[in-house]
Amino acid sequence: GAGVSQSPRYKVAKRGQDVALRCDPISGHVSLFWYQQALGQGPEFLTYFQNEAQLDKSGLPSDRFFAERPEGSVSTLKIQRTQQEDSAVYLCASSFGQGGGGYTFGSGTRLTVV
Amino acid sequence: QKEVEQNSGPLSVPEGAIASLNCTYSDRGSQSFFWYRQYSGKSPELIMSIYSNGDKEDGRFTAQLNKASQYVSLLIRDSQPSDSATYLCAVALNTGGFKTIFGAGTRLFVKA
Repeated sequence: GAGVSQSPRYKVAKRGQDVALRCDPISGHVSLFWYQQALGQGPEFLTYFQNEAQLDKSGLPSDRFFAERPEGSVSTLKIQRTQQEDSAVYLCASSFGQGGGGYTFGSGTRLTVV
Repeated sequence: QKEVEQNSGPLSVPEGAIASLNCTYSDRGSQSFFWYRQYSGKSPELIMSIYSNGDKEDGRFTAQLNKASQYVSLLIRDSQPSDSATYLCAVALNTGGFKTIFGAGTRLFVKA
């Protein structure tokens, strides 16, 4: 596609509910990143995929967070048993090359846990 | 100490002035540095990247890097009201991994 596509754009979840956030990166982009951005803060790194391999998941805040990219294109970030502190904007980014740096971000998913 | 530090602002400048945004980082081995612009309610947009000491110019934007001082800056010449946004400094860590760490951002207001 022309850009990084994320869905849903907004998600309201009741505390304890499981959610799944989808990211469709730019076609051909090898690298895919998930970031979490709280209000008034910069994006915080969650995890990185190179094709289908998850090479860095050190930023995932707890074992309730899980990400996958099974075919090296679309990625899903799953949050189990959501808590209020999970409320944030979840940003997906992709890049053609390997490693960190100059990304194209999607529009994000704003998750609100009530 | 945060890995990437920025003054949160807000920084207010009059239209036509030069806006100067600053960033310091802690990982001395970092090699790649980026500036992103984020409008309210939107996602970050890459505007500049810099990898070598010195200045890099792109239109009205100049990025400056001083690795010895672990300092990165962004100058915006002839500031316009449309430049009003949060500017995020980002540093790709030299840890063998793939993390890029973002600062909390500096809010810039350009007054017409």
